[in-house]
Amino acid sequence: DTAVSQTPKYLVTQMGNDKSIKCEQNLGHDTMYWYKQDSKKFLKIMFSYNNKELIINETVPNRFSPKSPDKAHLNLHINSLELGDSAVYFCASSQGEVWGNTIYFGEGSWLTVV
Amino acid sequence: QQQVKQSPQSLIVQKGGISIINCAYENTAFDYFPWYQQFPGKGPALLIAIRPDVSEKKEGRFTISFNKSAKQFSLHIMDSQPGDSATYFCAASKGRYGGATNKLIFGTGTLLAVQP
Repeated sequence: DTAVSQTPKYLVTQMGNDKSIKCEQNLGHDTMYWYKQDSKKFLKIMFSYNNKELIINETVPNRFSPKSPDKAHLNLHINSLELGDSAVYFCASSQGEVWGNTIYFGEGSWLTVV
Repeated sequence: QQQVKQSPQSLIVQKGGISIINCAYENTAFDYFPWYQQFPGKGPALLIAIRPDVSEKKEGRFTISFNKSAKQFSLHIMDSQPGDSATYFCAASKGRYGGATNKLIFGTGTLLAVQP
């Protein structure tokens, strides 16, 4: 069973479109994240949610809107896509109470904006 | 501002050799230093982690060395194998109990190639 699963794995879309990436974790964790990995492989946190509540918002443009319907799901909706949004988006989760904050990543969603 | 600096950007090692990747951090509030391993087409996965009250942690062929005064830590891979070929990221975070208010600051990654 995949611990953190995200769909779609690949997404090619035109500038100006709106798209969503879905994420689910079956680890029973209470904290979920979205990370962005750019073309140079640099990984940076975008958002984190704890028990469906937004905790971290790393100055991400408001075209990006995360939504957490429950602890096991964290979706990412992107409006008015731009060329610079092309990247790999990783969903992740952790158990917030455990020291060390081990983060488990999904396999990524490759977004290409043309 | 890059809070965690990682080097080298890429590394080629012969099978059986030692791979060494270095990281330096600026924020003295950081108290958790993990290393993540990422294979092509996959997400990063935790490899090994250390906290600043110890100078070294070893798990199998992987060792973290930590120098608190120099604000540096490094990953050593002993007896490197072709299967170790991947991108390695160091990271840092602050806050003893992790949790949702803490976040990992990643280094820029090191692409390791172990030649047979």
